[in-house]
Amino acid sequence: DTGVSQNPRHKITKRGQNVTFRCDPISEHNRLYWYRQTLGQGPEFLTYFQNEAQLEKSRLLSDRFSAERPKGSFSTLEIQRTEQGDSAMYLCASSLREGPRLYEQYFGPGTRLTVT
Amino acid sequence: SQQGEEDPQALSIQEGENATMNCSYKTSINNLQWYRQNSGRGLVHLILIRSNEREKHSGRLRVTLDTSKKSSSLLITASRAADTASYFCATEARMDSSYKLIFGSGTRLLVRP
Repeated sequence: DTGVSQNPRHKITKRGQNVTFRCDPISEHNRLYWYRQTLGQGPEFLTYFQNEAQLEKSRLLSDRFSAERPKGSFSTLEIQRTEQGDSAMYLCASSLREGPRLYEQYFGPGTRLTVT
Repeated sequence: SQQGEEDPQALSIQEGENATMNCSYKTSINNLQWYRQNSGRGLVHLILIRSNEREKHSGRLRVTLDTSKKSSSLLITASRAADTASYFCATEARMDSSYKLIFGSGTRLLVRP
């Protein structure tokens, strides 16, 4: 399967614990996005990477959240001191920098986080 | 925050009927896209319409865009049970160098066999 993959698919954690999610984009895609989706809502933008550079962060991304893309390939999203309000589906997407499909984003299956 | 609203929030139709969903947005856009999300699965890109286009077709899908009203519609013709899903419009703001997408709240479509 050459699509976007995310691990783990589900994560249950206790409030106050740290969690880390991983996203592996489509190999030739140099743009990578993280979104968060709560029940009954559309995804909300969190952050964007072009290659290894994090170029934009949403105001939704508090200082408890950090994202990295160390070699311009896979990315990690870490949430420190989790709160119940962090419970959501975390989606990763990737896209090409150029070409006819430049604007289309390819989404992974998501990581569902439950904070108890 | 969400870019826009989708209407209706939920739609139930019989297989074979057409389904129409509407989307309104707030800012000037570069393009508008529609995505489908099945229960428990990721988002799948359906169709993209650029700001200088008014209508686009792809198979059983027809999308219209009215930039003066900041609105779009998605028509699915001859619906099938497999079309049951949530449908989201997403806009890419003009002059946004990140190409990030701003999603609506979605329309949940149920196609009854």
